[in-house]
This record gives sequence, C-alpha cells and structure tokens, in this order.
Amino acid sequence: EVQLVESGGGLVQPGGSLRLSCAASGFTFSSYEMNWVRQAPGKGLEWDSYISSSGSIIHYADSVKGRFTISRDNAKNSLYLQMNSLRAEDTAVYYCARATVVNGYSGTFDIWGQGTMVTVSS
Amino acid sequence: EIVMTQSPATLSVSPGERATLSCRASQSVSSNLAWYHQKPGQAPRLLIYGASTRATGIPARFSGSGSGTEFTLTISSLQSEDFAVYYCQQYNDWPPRYTFGQGTKLEIK
Repeated sequence: EVQLVESGGGLVQPGGSLRLSCAASGFTFSSYEMNWVRQAPGKGLEWDSYISSSGSIIHYADSVKGRFTISRDNAKNSLYLQMNSLRAEDTAVYYCARATVVNGYSGTFDIWGQGTMVTVSS
Repeated sequence: EIVMTQSPATLSVSPGERATLSCRASQSVSSNLAWYHQKPGQAPRLLIYGASTRATGIPARFSGSGSGTEFTLTISSLQSEDFAVYYCQQYNDWPPRYTFGQGTKLEIK
C-alpha cells in the first residue's frame, strides 16, 4: 500500500523549534518530488516547501523561507521539515504530499499523509 | 503570487442532483490545475489534475473543465460521500509557488 506517515508534531513555545518526519512506503520514494503543505485550524491549504527527488533542488514559500528547512533521506525513505523560530501563525496540521509530474509540470499532489498537528503557544 | 478564488463559498445540493463548483485564477495557469476534496479529520484527496483528467479511482461522475483562468468541477449525481470541502490548486508556477483556493463547502440540502 502506498503510504505517507507524518510524525513529530506537538506543542512548542513561540521562538522554539520542531522537526517533522514523513515516512514513505509502498513506492520508490527516491523517484518522487515531495512537498509540505499546512492547514491552520478551520482554514484552507497552504503550500510550504518543495524538494526534488534527489534533494538537490529546494524551494520555500515566502512565509517560511529562512525559518524552515526541508530535507530527505532516500536511503531511509523519509522526508523531514526542520522548523525554527516558530510563530503562533505556524499553528497548523502539516501534511507531507507526494508530487507527480504531469506534462512536465510538477505539483499534482497525488498522495498525502494523515497530517501531524503543530501548536505554537506559550 | 497567483491567487485562486473559488465560488461559491458554500453550496447546498440534494443527493442525486448535480453540483457545479467554480475556480478562477488571477492570471493564466494554462491547464495546470488540480481539484481535491477533504472530509472532516481527513487529508485532502486528489480528484482531478490537468484541469480535466480524473485521478486513479475517482468515479466518472466527477468531471473537470476549463483552461487559462476559469475552471469548473462538476459532480453529476451527488452521493452521500461527496459532501466535503473542495479545493482547487494551481501548479503552473516555476520555481514552485503553488496556491490553493479558499475552498467550497458542499453540503447536503
């Protein structure tokens, strides 16, 4: 079964750090681009970060640039998100999502994890 | 940043009837448009990509159309499991600056 399972969420104080993990199974992880997408409570979806299949190309949304770091370990079939300088507005469910390439364009998120909740509060 | 605007915010439809959801982009995204639905407490699920191609396992009652800046998702005969929040998403930008619409809540009338 193709699956993504996130972990690492929790309660953290403003200014603190947290590292999220996403374990992939059921597919050749090293062949796929991956992304993190967040959803604040009661709100819509917001793309945060992208990493190429090899890990050599990385992009971030402006809202997290300089604070968050996406990485991957293809030998461990795992995706990571290091979150530093956390703010109250970072409170959200964080999803890892597999991207497929359609007609040369990446960004169709065909597989999603169940999400992990991050709460930033004092 | 490309802004995606969905309408209406809430749509009330009876089971068995047709539902039509709209999505507008602030600039052309060609056909690089996807639709997802999300049920409470669950992750989003891909329905349509390339504006009109159904994802694996998605029933034929779901259809997408449009290109450029105007897109439509049609559900031909609503089933109970279709009541959810629907999001459109553009993936035309590179470097990626993927953006989602704010969502349309499809509720039972």
